[in-house]
Amino acid sequence: ELKVEQNPLFLSMQEGKNYTIYCNYSTTSDRLYWYRQDPGKSLESLFVLLSNGAVKQEGRLMASLDTKARLSTLHITAAVHDLSATYFCAVDSSSYKLIFGSGTRLLVRP
Amino acid sequence: DAGVIQSPRHEVTEMGQEVTLRCKPISGHNSLFWYRQTMMRGLELLIYFNNNVPIDDSGMPEDRFSAKMPNASFSTLKIQPSEPRDSAVYFCASSFQGYYEQYFGPGTRLTVT
Repeated sequence: ELKVEQNPLFLSMQEGKNYTIYCNYSTTSDRLYWYRQDPGKSLESLFVLLSNGAVKQEGRLMASLDTKARLSTLHITAAVHDLSATYFCAVDSSSYKLIFGSGTRLLVRP
Repeated sequence: DAGVIQSPRHEVTEMGQEVTLRCKPISGHNSLFWYRQTMMRGLELLIYFNNNVPIDDSGMPEDRFSAKMPNASFSTLKIQPSEPRDSAVYFCASSFQGYYEQYFGPGTRLTVT
C-alpha cells in the first residue's frame, strides 16, 4: 500500500528566507502533484511532475521529483506572506488514485 | 470555464437526516472524484467515476453513503442517515481520463449535529 509522508508538518518561517518541504513515498510512482490550500478554501494545483528529474518553477516555488529516491521537494525562495497556506503532495498509486500527504502548514512571518 | 461547481457550500443538518451533495464537473472531463477532508484523516478518496460509471468505491465508509452520476455533467453524494462523525468538508474533483491533473471544486462543509 502506497504511503506518502510529508515533512515538516508545520513550518513557521520569516519573510525573505528559503526553505524546503519534503515528500517521501513508499512505492514506485512516476507521477506526483503539489497542491496549495488556503484556510477554508479548495485545493489549487501548483505543479505536476511526470518523470524522474522533473523540475518545475513558478515564482518563488520550485518543485522537483526523484523517482529513484521516491522523493519530491518543494523549495521556497525568499518567502513572502502570500505564500502562507497548507501544501499537499499527492502521489499517483494507480492510473487514477491519488494518495495525499498530511500536508505542510506554512506560516510566513514578517 | 467555471471550474468544478459544488452545492451547497455549507450544510448543517441534524443526525438522522438525509444529506445530498451535488457536483458539476468541468465540461469535457470524463473522470469525477469525491473526496472527504477531516483533520484526523486528511484527504480520502470516497469514489471514482469514469465515463459516468463507478470504478472504485472502496473508500465509501459504509452503506449510509451512496453516489450517482446519471450523466456527464452531474453527480450526487448522498448520506442517509447522517451521523455527527460524517461532519467534514466534501470535495468533488474532475479530470480528463482519470490519470491527468485533478481540479477540485470549492467543497461542501457538512456539519451534522
